[in-house]
Formats: sequence, C-alpha cells, structure tokens
Amino acid sequence: DTGVSQDPRHKITKRGQNVTFRCDPISEHNRLYWYRQTLGQGPEFLTYFQNEAQLEKSRLLSDRFSAERPKGSFSTLEIQRTEQGDSAMYLCASSLTHYEQYFGPGTRLTVT
Amino acid sequence: KNQVEQSPQSLIILEGKNCTLQCNYTVSPFSNLRWYKQDTGRGPVSLTIMTFSENTKSNGRYTATLDADTKQSSLHITASQLSDSASYICVVSEDDYKLSFGAGTTVTVRA
Repeated sequence: DTGVSQDPRHKITKRGQNVTFRCDPISEHNRLYWYRQTLGQGPEFLTYFQNEAQLEKSRLLSDRFSAERPKGSFSTLEIQRTEQGDSAMYLCASSLTHYEQYFGPGTRLTVT
Repeated sequence: KNQVEQSPQSLIILEGKNCTLQCNYTVSPFSNLRWYKQDTGRGPVSLTIMTFSENTKSNGRYTATLDADTKQSSLHITASQLSDSASYICVVSEDDYKLSFGAGTTVTVRA
C-alpha cells in the first residue's frame, strides 16, 4: 500500500499523559499536513510542513502540541498533558502540490 | 462562523435512487472547490476538484457542479449503492494549503 499511513489507528490514554502519533506520507510528497476532526465536524487545519520546515501553525495548536518532520519524510505529532478536549480524530495528509491532498486513515484519540 | 455550509446535515435514500447535496461558501479568495467522501473511521478520499472556471466535473456516478458567482456547489449521486453510505465533505481552498471544510452531509443508503 503506497498511500498515507498513520500509527497508531486508535489510542486511549488517561488525562495528563503524553501521546505521540506518526504519519508516513506518500514517498515522493514533500508537503505534509495535520488536521484534527471532532465528531460530526469537518477536519480543522493544525499545521503544515514543506520538506522538514514547519511553515504554518494554526491557533488550534496550543503549546501542548508539537509536530516535527525531522528528515522531510515521516512526521510526528505529540500532545503533552492530554485533556479530554483533545479527544478527536487526528488526520495526516500529504501532497506534491497544494492542489491535491491525500489523507491517511487517521488516529482516533480518546482521553479518559 | 464556518465559511462552508452544507445541507442537508443528513439524509436517507433507497438503493438505486438519486440524491443531491448542497454546499454554500463565503471563502474568498477562492482557488478551488473539492468534494471528499469519508467512510466512518477513515480519512477523506477526494471525489472531485473544480477550479474557478469549471462548472461541472464527474467521477463515475458522482457529479459536482459549481456556480462561482453565487458561491454554491452541489454533488449529485446517481443510482445510489449501499457503498455510497458515508459523509460527504465540501472543501474550499482559499490559496495554497488553506482549506476550509464543511461539516459534511451524512448519507445513508438503505436496501
């Protein structure tokens, strides 16, 4: 499968714990995006990388959130001191141009 | 306020019937408009992408229309199948990577 992959698919954690998600984009794609989607809503933009450079961060990305793409390939999204409001689906997308973004299956986070 | 509004919020149709989903947007400037299909628990999958100059685009049984003057788009599903049951999301691109997503229309196709 050469699509966007995300790991894990599901994560249940207790409030206050740290979690880290991984996204592997389509291999030749230099652009990578993170989104958050809550139930019944469309995805909301979190951050965007071009190669290893993080070029844009949404105001939704509080200081508890950090994203990296160290070698311009895979990316990680870490949430520190999780809160119940962080429960959502975290989607990763990649693209070669901005015109078409290919989404991964998402990581479903549940904070108890 | 969300800049992309979709209607209806949900609908139920019988297998084999047609349906039309609506999308109104206020996003400006406007680069392109996309329709995505999202199955439960999965990431969105692109159905169509239309630029400012395109009025209609088809992808199999899915046909999207765009009226850039009135800032309206529709997605028509022909001869619905059970596998069409999903959420359909209208997405408007301002420029580059800035996408505004609608909340989606949940379609349920029943046998």
